[in-house]
Amino acid sequence: EVQLVQSGAEVKKPGESLKISCMGSGYTFSSYWISWVRQMPGKGLEWMGRIDPSDSYTTYSPSFQGHVTISADKSISTAYLQWSSLKASDTAIYYCARTGSGHNWFDPWGQGTLVTVSS
Amino acid sequence: DIQMTQSPSSVSASVGDRVTITCRASQGISSWLAWYQQKPGKAPKLLIYAASSLQSGVPSRFSGSASGTDFTLTISSLQPEDFATYYCQQANSFPLTFGPGTKVDIK
Repeated sequence: EVQLVQSGAEVKKPGESLKISCMGSGYTFSSYWISWVRQMPGKGLEWMGRIDPSDSYTTYSPSFQGHVTISADKSISTAYLQWSSLKASDTAIYYCARTGSGHNWFDPWGQGTLVTVSS
Repeated sequence: DIQMTQSPSSVSASVGDRVTITCRASQGISSWLAWYQQKPGKAPKLLIYAASSLQSGVPSRFSGSASGTDFTLTISSLQPEDFATYYCQQANSFPLTFGPGTKVDIK
């Protein structure tokens, strides 16, 4: 079964750093792109960016470029999303999702990681 | 960026009803469109890709169609498990963008 399993919920203070993870299983991890999608409380879905785990090439949405960093370690089938200085407005659920070669729809999705940033 | 709009924003329906949700792209995206279902507290689930292809395991009461920059998701006979929020997503160009969602709730 193809599966993406994300790290657990986090509670952080403004200004702190954070790195959350997404581990793939049931398929060849380096053969598919991994995207990150944000969902703010009670809101819709926003694509943040993606990474090709085979060479760590990344594509970012202009809305998120410079605010987050996407990385991957193909040796452990894991992608990451990180912040160097969190803000309260980063409070959201973050999903990772797989896209296949030649298309950009998302399947499957990870279960989501809730990030809460509060002083 | 390609803007995606959806209508209606919400719909109240009964079990057995036919429900139609429309998504419009701000520019041509060919058939590069997907539909997702999201239930409260859960991750989205892919229903339809390439505008009209049914994802494996998804019930056949779900269907998708396209006409120019307008796309439609139809649920032919609404079931209790279908009450959820539905999102369209354009997969034509970066940044990838989603519609604002349509909530289907119980009448």
